Amino acid sequence: LAKTTQPISMDSYEGQEVNITCSHNNIATNDYITWYQQFPSQGPRFIIQGYKTKVTNEVASLFIPADRKSSTLSLPRVSLSDTAVYYCLVGEDSSASKIIFGSGTRLSIRP
Amino acid sequence: DVKVTQSSRYLVKRTGEKVFLECVQDMDHENMFWYRQDPGLGLRLIYFSYDVKMKEKGDIPEGYSVSREKKERFSLILESASTNQTSMYLCASSLVRLKNIQYFGAGTRLSVL
Repeated sequence: LAKTTQPISMDSYEGQEVNITCSHNNIATNDYITWYQQFPSQGPRFIIQGYKTKVTNEVASLFIPADRKSSTLSLPRVSLSDTAVYYCLVGEDSSASKIIFGSGTRLSIRP
Repeated sequence: DVKVTQSSRYLVKRTGEKVFLECVQDMDHENMFWYRQDPGLGLRLIYFSYDVKMKEKGDIPEGYSVSREKKERFSLILESASTNQTSMYLCASSLVRLKNIQYFGAGTRLSVL
């Protein structure tokens, strides 16, 4: 299983771009990288998934370098409502292997 | 939209009681999961199921059992609740070929007194 390492917490201000990096040195060939967002008293919500290079959707972008040993979730022009915990997961999508969420990154956005 | 519904948002039980946490999903997903979430420990997988009557242990199965008699329903059972099982319990579901894209319920906050 590829273990992931993320910063415990980050602070930013409204209107800024926020980049959260996740390290996964032992990522396997068939592993995908998946990010979730969790607000207090709610279940996590899927944000984005990627395998290599760059993926973008209406919420975020995911940058994955060629060696895939890390990934960066980019949130453009954050607002107060982006204050949440963000989790990075690494694993195969179709196997029965276990999933590890880790402790996530607590992002705090200030006015 | 996928909907994962957990039967209770808050639950208070006594030590030694048998506790059932129910989860229902409406998107015909093959996989279903039970996690617990504690401060500073993130989400930890208790059990998951990839088909009716099939189950796999997660990282912390001790003290828990599960039941999946129908595809849409996955139950977590605490045979004899203990105070160290006080936690937030989260259910999730996913397609079998997209295991890492999971849809979560709102959670059940269980207090065992």
